[in-house]
Amino acid sequence: QSALTQPASVSGSPGQSITISCTGTSSDVGGYNYVSWYQQHPGKAPKLMIYDVTNRPSGVSHRFSASKSGNTASLTISGLQAEDEADYYCSSYTSSSTWMFGGGTKLTVL
Amino acid sequence: QVQLVESGGGVVQPGRSLRLSCAASGFTFSNYAMYWVRQAPGKGLEWVAVISFDGNNKYYADSMKGRFTISRDNSKNTVFLQMNSLREEDTALYYCARGQGLLYPLDSWGQGTLVTVSS
Repeated sequence: QSALTQPASVSGSPGQSITISCTGTSSDVGGYNYVSWYQQHPGKAPKLMIYDVTNRPSGVSHRFSASKSGNTASLTISGLQAEDEADYYCSSYTSSSTWMFGGGTKLTVL
Repeated sequence: QVQLVESGGGVVQPGRSLRLSCAASGFTFSNYAMYWVRQAPGKGLEWVAVISFDGNNKYYADSMKGRFTISRDNSKNTVFLQMNSLREEDTALYYCARGQGLLYPLDSWGQGTLVTVSS
């Protein structure tokens, strides 16, 4: 089981938008609408930001949105704020009845 | 409020065993699937295992299959991870988390317990 592929890092200035990709296969990302995104600040536990490809839990800012096309899911953060600086992980259900995480993307707000 | 508190971590020699616990409170534990996820120092998240609400279904990541066993005691609101034949590469912070079911996301996480495998 290899991790889903994410860029190691992305950056953006306050107010800008960024997109983080998450590429898998037809046995995970492409095969199911069970893709989630997690935010993790240093020294903290992960926090659920997006579930079932596009859904935001209550309390998560509308600046966070997500989509999927084929085997690639994407997380977009608009109106970047300093507090968005964190690591972001995608996760997908797989055909083995297991879950898999992406390698993680470090977001830097310039 | 939802609380998940892991315990049982520590330093252990390669080849030895360790049992982690996660005590849950603030929600109806027996209604939720429970997960273990680990994070090696400076590395990303790695999914470890999941157990269904009633304990009848368990799934493991390939690298843990046969060495790790997940279980739960709904009477004590606790989920366990028995780790055998530990390797240095099992060194990580181990988180427990809950999901509404096996196909649901992890909506609450504990703060983790650190396992260090070293001779």
